[in-house]
Parts: sequence; C-alpha cells; structure tokens
Amino acid sequence: SQKIEQNSEALNIQEGKTATLTCNYTNYSPAYLQWYRQDPGRGPVFLLLIRENEKEKRKERLKVTFDTTLKQSLFHITASQPADSATYLCAPNFNKFYFGSGTKLNVKP
Amino acid sequence: NAGVTQTPKFQVLKTGQSMTLQCAQDMNHNSMYWYRQDPGMGLRLIYYSASEGTTDKGEVPNGYNVSRLNKREFSLRLESAAPSQTSVYFCASSEGSGISYEQYFGPGTRLTVT
Repeated sequence: SQKIEQNSEALNIQEGKTATLTCNYTNYSPAYLQWYRQDPGRGPVFLLLIRENEKEKRKERLKVTFDTTLKQSLFHITASQPADSATYLCAPNFNKFYFGSGTKLNVKP
Repeated sequence: NAGVTQTPKFQVLKTGQSMTLQCAQDMNHNSMYWYRQDPGMGLRLIYYSASEGTTDKGEVPNGYNVSRLNKREFSLRLESAAPSQTSVYFCASSEGSGISYEQYFGPGTRLTVT
C-alpha cells in the first residue's frame, strides 16, 4: 500500500518568512499530486495540483515542486502571514485518492 | 450556492446502534466520496461513487455501506456501530472521477461511538 509522509511536527515560522512543507511518498509514482489546506473543525480546501511532467507550479504566494526521482513534493508559501496558519495536506494521486496526515503551520506575527 | 453539505454535524452512538450520514452537493458534480479522518492517520477513503448509479470500495470499507440516491446525494450507513468507528467523517465531490480532479469537501460529521 502507499505510504505518504508529512512532518507530524508543527512548523513554526515568523511572519514574512517563507514556509516550506515536505511530502514524501513510497512505492508507485503518482500521475498527479494535490495540496489542500485544512482549518480546525473544517473540511480540506483544494489549493494546487501539479502533474508528474511539471517540475513546478505557482499560484500567487504558493509554489509547489514535484520531484518524481526523489518521490517528493515541496510546498512553499512566500511572505507568510498569520492567516496562513493551518494544516496542509498532500495527496499524491495514484489510482485512488490517498492523503497524507498533514503538517500544521503556525505563522507568528 | 452551499457546495457540499453534511448532516448531522455531531452524533453520539452506543455500540451496536445504526445511523446514516447524509451528504448533498449542489455543484452538479458526477463523483462523490466518503472519508474518515483520525488523528495521525490522515484522510482515508471509505467508499466513492464515480457517477450516479455506481459505488466502489475505498481503502477502509469494512463496517460501512453507501447509497448514491441521485446525482446530488450520497449517504453513508453504519449498520452496527463500533468504538473503532469513532472519527470525523467527510463527504466530498468532484466534477469527474479521474484523479486529476480537485475535490470539494463538506464541513464534516464528528461521530463518537461509546
């Protein structure tokens, strides 16, 4: 079965800095990888999708990279704000949907 | 435009009781999903419906049944609840069933089985 690893420890950073979150996966290589944001007590919200033939995808202050050799995706938030504080889930999509357990990001003012 | 709605928001059951979780979407999406989320385990797919009239098992289907009532509604039933089914349940929908489609999630149902 698939194993998806996201850092279970919270990431604490200062406002204005760049946050970098890691998603590692094992076994098969996904054709797509999605990132979601989840706030406490709410359902996940889709942020970005990157395809296996794309190295990088950007959306406003967000950037996702996808390294199929390393079996890893990095999620960056530049100029981070306290409002970016949330848990971020990665979902490498194989033939079915699998989600990582997420990394909690705390942005301190 | 409500998106994906789920009822109830909270539920407490005794072991052996049954209940149905309701989910509806108003985005005219073809595919719908049920997940459970447990601490440290991430979201795990229970069942999904690629299109109206079809359902398939996900990663953790044991102890659950589903019904795709129509294009809008997808329900999840626990026939005989067990403490191991204590979890937060999320319904989601997507325009298509392919893995490239983004999913839209409901607010979740927090279920406790005592």
